[in-house]
Amino acid sequence: NFMLTQPHSVSESPGKTVTISCTRSSGSIASNYVQWYQQRPGSAPTTVIYEDNQRPSGVPDRFSGSIDSSSNSASLTISGLKTEDEADYYCQSYDSSNQDVVFGGGTKLTVL
Amino acid sequence: EVQLVESGGGLVQPGGSLRLSCAASGFTFSSYEMNWVRQAPGKGLEWVSYISSSGSTIYYADSVKGRFTISRDNAKNSLYLQMNSLRAEDTAVYYCAREVASCYYFDYWGQGTLVTVSS
Repeated sequence: NFMLTQPHSVSESPGKTVTISCTRSSGSIASNYVQWYQQRPGSAPTTVIYEDNQRPSGVPDRFSGSIDSSSNSASLTISGLKTEDEADYYCQSYDSSNQDVVFGGGTKLTVL
Repeated sequence: EVQLVESGGGLVQPGGSLRLSCAASGFTFSSYEMNWVRQAPGKGLEWVSYISSSGSTIYYADSVKGRFTISRDNAKNSLYLQMNSLRAEDTAVYYCAREVASCYYFDYWGQGTLVTVSS
């Protein structure tokens, strides 16, 4: 079993770039794909990154994902921040040892 | 257009039962694996349960194992979650989510249904 740890909150100004990290507690981050979901208040989550670094159609290229084996973490980077990007972001992966879907605790992004 | 619409939430006493439904439309329901994910008020997302496209393979989170039962009716394009022995900590918005072909992540989510367990 492993956990995914995210910072509780991040904030940045419009037009800037922000990176949200997601660190896997045990096992390799590269073992299973990482996804990122955006959740605006009162709404269901939507996918912004899947399979580590792939963007669904309709998601702007300001959103990008990556993994870093040296820090055993995944990252979501949002460039050219807009106020509409303000939301909670969750990373997610899969634990093949027990067939559990694992979510990070979520990061609240404030764009001010 | 893919649509997932949950229903069945409400207020229930501790120890009680509730059955959630998720009506699917806009895609071939019988071809997709489905999941339930919940979110306690002000908290993060928690995976609850998985069911394969045929219903033959099922998984549960440890927190609900033995109390919750996932099922589906492909003829009715519907997913269900039978929740028994409910506890206060089961209070959450419950989402049904479509899984991308055996890839362990979700591409469509319903709007959620709120379950409140309280006396």
